[in-house]
Amino acid sequence: DGGITQSPKYLFRKEGQNVTLSCEQNLNHDAMYWYRQDPGQGLRLIYYSQIVNDFQKGDIAEGYSVSREKKESFPLTVTSAQKNPTAFYLCASSTWDTSGRETQYFGPGTRLLVL
Amino acid sequence: EDQVTQSPEALRLQEGESSSLNCSYTVSGLRGLFWYRQDPGKGPEFLFTLYSAGEEKEKERLKATLTKKESFLHITAPKPEDSATYLCAVPGGGGKLIFGQGTELSVKP
Repeated sequence: DGGITQSPKYLFRKEGQNVTLSCEQNLNHDAMYWYRQDPGQGLRLIYYSQIVNDFQKGDIAEGYSVSREKKESFPLTVTSAQKNPTAFYLCASSTWDTSGRETQYFGPGTRLLVL
Repeated sequence: EDQVTQSPEALRLQEGESSSLNCSYTVSGLRGLFWYRQDPGKGPEFLFTLYSAGEEKEKERLKATLTKKESFLHITAPKPEDSATYLCAVPGGGGKLIFGQGTELSVKP
């Protein structure tokens, strides 16, 4: 099956701990994204990567870090500097058609909770 | 500043009661408008992309339309399984999507 997988589904973080959320896609998409979703708010972009070994900060990058060593993988680390990490984290990847039109597809999400 | 606003925030319908969801946007140079469906605890599921005013797309009981300032998602004779949060989004800079806050639709049998 082609698609985007995220793991784990639930993740618990202790005070002062860094945690890493996994995102893998086998769609051969170049661009990948991380969004955060909080209740009552729209999705907000954390980081994005349009090509391997390159990534850019989104609107709320503070307290997060990413890497893009492989085309199919874009892990997100939530560091201890992120003071309010409890949220639903969504990974997405994009494809473009021959007219240059982009469509983003999302993974199933990881819910991060602070102990 | 690019912005997307959805209304209403929540909508409760009886099964078979048709209605519409609204997505208004302000963006410099529209490069598409996206509709997604999101079930509780899951990632958004892609529904439609609209690119130009007057364009319409349909999928089962859903029809999306686009004008120069807003998009509508029409739901005809909804069923309980259509209950979900519906999100609309437009592309911003750098490939990110700018999302509205969503409309939570509940369809009662």
